[in-house]
Amino acid sequence: EVQLVESGGGLVQPGGSLRLSCLASGFTFGNDWMSWVRQAPGKGLEWVANIKQRGGETYYVDSVKGRFTISGDNAKNSLYLQLNSLGAEDTATYYCVRNSNGGLDYWGQGTLVTVSS
Amino acid sequence: DVVMTQSPLSLPVTLGQPASISCRSSQGLVNNDGNIYLNWYQQRPGQSPRRLIYKISNRDSGVPDRFSGSGSGTDFTLKISRVEAEDIGIYYCMQGTHWPYTFGQGTKLEIK
Repeated sequence: EVQLVESGGGLVQPGGSLRLSCLASGFTFGNDWMSWVRQAPGKGLEWVANIKQRGGETYYVDSVKGRFTISGDNAKNSLYLQLNSLGAEDTATYYCVRNSNGGLDYWGQGTLVTVSS
Repeated sequence: DVVMTQSPLSLPVTLGQPASISCRSSQGLVNNDGNIYLNWYQQRPGQSPRRLIYKISNRDSGVPDRFSGSGSGTDFTLKISRVEAEDIGIYYCMQGTHWPYTFGQGTKLEIK
């Protein structure tokens, strides 16, 4: 059974940083693209970043380029998202998601990031 | 970026009746490999999203056959043949052809 478990969310002040983690199980982690998707409270879904586990190719939505960094550790079956220079607009639940067939098939339960003073 | 436009944004439906959601993309979604990566997701209240449909019309494992997807070009549709109480939630289309991946605004399905 595929499982994705996020951690690392919390309350952070504007301008601060956080590192989100996602522990994957139930599939060969190093074979797949992985993504982070976020959802602001009461709002829709926004894809944030992708990584190709083999080779490390990455893509980001423009609003986070230069501030967020996606990475993976195949030995630990873990995906990460480093969030820097956070602003109120980054407040959201962040989901770790597996890519498959041109979409996102398995989703974690999400971890909430709140940016506030 | 590709803009995905859904309609309606709110969909009151009677149990047992059909429902249909439209999704239009601002540009074509044919990938270099010839596939069209149009997906549909369901998000029940308080839950993570769940994919229902990939590549326009393919149901994911465990998805009831009352859900179906269709479309071509820039116009796509999700249909529920007979709405059940467990179908309440918000439905999103998403394109996975062009970077960045983009979602529609969401359609809230509720029971009349």
